[in-house]
Amino acid sequence: DTAVSQTPKYLVTQMGNDKSIKCEQNLGHDTMYWYKQDSKKFLKIMFSYNNKELIINETVPNRFSPKSPDKAHLNLHINSLELGDSAVYFCASSQSSKGYTFGSGTRLTVV
Amino acid sequence: GDSVTQMEGPVTLSEEAFLTINCTYTATGYPSLFWYVQYPGEGLQLLLKATKADDKGSNKGFEATYRKETTSFHLEKGSVQVSDSAVYFCALTPNSGGSNYKLTFGKGTLLTVNP
Repeated sequence: DTAVSQTPKYLVTQMGNDKSIKCEQNLGHDTMYWYKQDSKKFLKIMFSYNNKELIINETVPNRFSPKSPDKAHLNLHINSLELGDSAVYFCASSQSSKGYTFGSGTRLTVV
Repeated sequence: GDSVTQMEGPVTLSEEAFLTINCTYTATGYPSLFWYVQYPGEGLQLLLKATKADDKGSNKGFEATYRKETTSFHLEKGSVQVSDSAVYFCALTPNSGGSNYKLTFGKGTLLTVNP
């Protein structure tokens, strides 16, 4: 069983559309995250949830809205997609500061 | 805030060469330190970690030692293989307690190993 699974793996969409990326973890971890990896491979945290509560919200446009229906799921909804949103988005989970488990990423391409 | 600085690549080596990728950090207290690896077209995998000063993390022939005095966590491997070609990320999380386990990454170092 995949520990952290995110769908879809690839997403191609037009500017202005609204899209969602889903993430689920079966590790029993309390904390889940979304990270963005840009074209230069730089990774930056976007959001973090602990037991469904938002605890980290970096400087991210309001068009990005995370939702955590339970501690095993953290979805990312993006409104009014822009060209600059093209990136690879990684979901991750952790139970402590001892390390994360990452999903395999969603490559979003906005055309 | 916390930050991680790692040597910029790309790094190109021949098979069986010695590898060092430098990493230094800025953080308050005693963070946990990590090396992650990203193979082409894949997600991030934890390579090794160290959670306190003087700890040595090791895995798959890679090693890194947590040096508090120099705030460093350099990655080394004695003999690289073509299959080690990947992007390597140094990262840290604070040990400030609570639920803030934000991972701060370096910019990544692309390693290419030629046969």
